[in-house]
Amino acid sequence: GQSLEQPSEVTAVEGAIVQINCTYQTSGFYGLSWYQQHDGGAPTFLSYNALDGLEETGRFSSFLSRSDSYGYLLLQELQMKDSASYFCAVRDRNYGQNFVFGPGTRLSVLP
Amino acid sequence: EADIYQTPRYLVIGTGKKITLECSQTMGHDKMYWYQQDPGMELHLIHYSYGVNSTEKGDLSSESTVSRIRTEHFPLTLESARPSHTSQYLCASSESQGVPYEQYFGPGTRLTVT
Repeated sequence: GQSLEQPSEVTAVEGAIVQINCTYQTSGFYGLSWYQQHDGGAPTFLSYNALDGLEETGRFSSFLSRSDSYGYLLLQELQMKDSASYFCAVRDRNYGQNFVFGPGTRLSVLP
Repeated sequence: EADIYQTPRYLVIGTGKKITLECSQTMGHDKMYWYQQDPGMELHLIHYSYGVNSTEKGDLSSESTVSRIRTEHFPLTLESARPSHTSQYLCASSESQGVPYEQYFGPGTRLTVT
């Protein structure tokens, strides 16, 4: 099987930088995705890492270390609208290359 | 802008009723998925499809069934709803080529079984 771990909650202030970590265990790792979900809303895709290193998309960056089974999402210049839940998801060969989602991290951005 | 639709958005029904949750996408995606998500919790894959006439069960045991007769349509059916089925159901789709790892989610159906 597989398991993913994320911090349950993170709090930061506007303008700050926050890092949300994700560790995973699976024998069939193929890639790591991040999704954002506002309360009552649908998850929206943020990033995908299949290779080691940092991927940058605007204020958001995602990092992967396959040797450490670890990744993180970095949010810079935090805004109030970034308050949401963030899910990491492993794309797994053992499940037809489908995604297994982590428990989610609830980010609260304070003024 | 993702074009994936789910109806109804909210549904309250009594135990034992048969229900069908609708999901449609206009992006021509081959792959479609159903996830179940309890409030504040992770998404669990309950069904997926790689194309017409293809359906598979996901990693979470579910008493629901799905069908894929048309590329754009992936309905989920509960033959006899129970209170344990109360949850949010999210439909998603993705390409099979190009960018297969990006899933587009519908707005969800929040189901309450009394």
